[in-house]
Amino acid sequence: DAKTTQPPSMDCAEGRAANLPCNHSTISGNEYVYWYRQIHSQGPQYIIHGLKNNETNEMASLIITEDRKSSTLILPHATLRDTAVYYCIVRVGATGNQFYFGTGTSLTVIP
Amino acid sequence: GAGVSQSPSNKVTEKGKDVELRCDPISGHTALYWYRQSLGQGLEFLIYFQGNSAPDKSGLPSDRFSAERTGGSVSTLTIQRTQQEDSAVYLCASSLGSTNEKLFFGSGTQLSVL
Repeated sequence: DAKTTQPPSMDCAEGRAANLPCNHSTISGNEYVYWYRQIHSQGPQYIIHGLKNNETNEMASLIITEDRKSSTLILPHATLRDTAVYYCIVRVGATGNQFYFGTGTSLTVIP
Repeated sequence: GAGVSQSPSNKVTEKGKDVELRCDPISGHTALYWYRQSLGQGLEFLIYFQGNSAPDKSGLPSDRFSAERTGGSVSTLTIQRTQQEDSAVYLCASSLGSTNEKLFFGSGTQLSVL
């Protein structure tokens, strides 16, 4: 699976959009991009995933560049409850098995 | 059950003892994963089960670690002769096992080796 690179930490003002970047420059054509988050003392929670097209759900939006070498997770209106560690993972969709979690980005939403 | 259940939630043991950690996946999920998370660190992959296929054990850190999955459902992670560096949160996750599936995590077992 391709490796991912994320900034170790970010701050965001409450109510503003949080934009979390991820680089995955060695991604293969069949590898999906997944985002999970982990709130303190809990197991990780799925947020969103995509292959080529941008995706949106009730939690967030995922913007994937045309060359697929990077992506951005967008939380449109960050709340204090969004404070968590956010993990960007790439994984082979059809035959891959392990999800490799890096150290993620620690997002702090500031009141 | 409604979610992935892990037991115990906390385990304190003495160095050299064996421990067993249990994971009950979501009913119908064929894929099951074990991860380990040390304090302040990311998740470290340990082992993966998919249906009746041979498990992927490539993440197990030593031969003191083993895992079983009986009847394609409940899984037990066993750590023999525990060491202090084994202290961590052990997380279990399950998924449907098909393409594009999401992982659903349990709340983990906090293992402390004294």
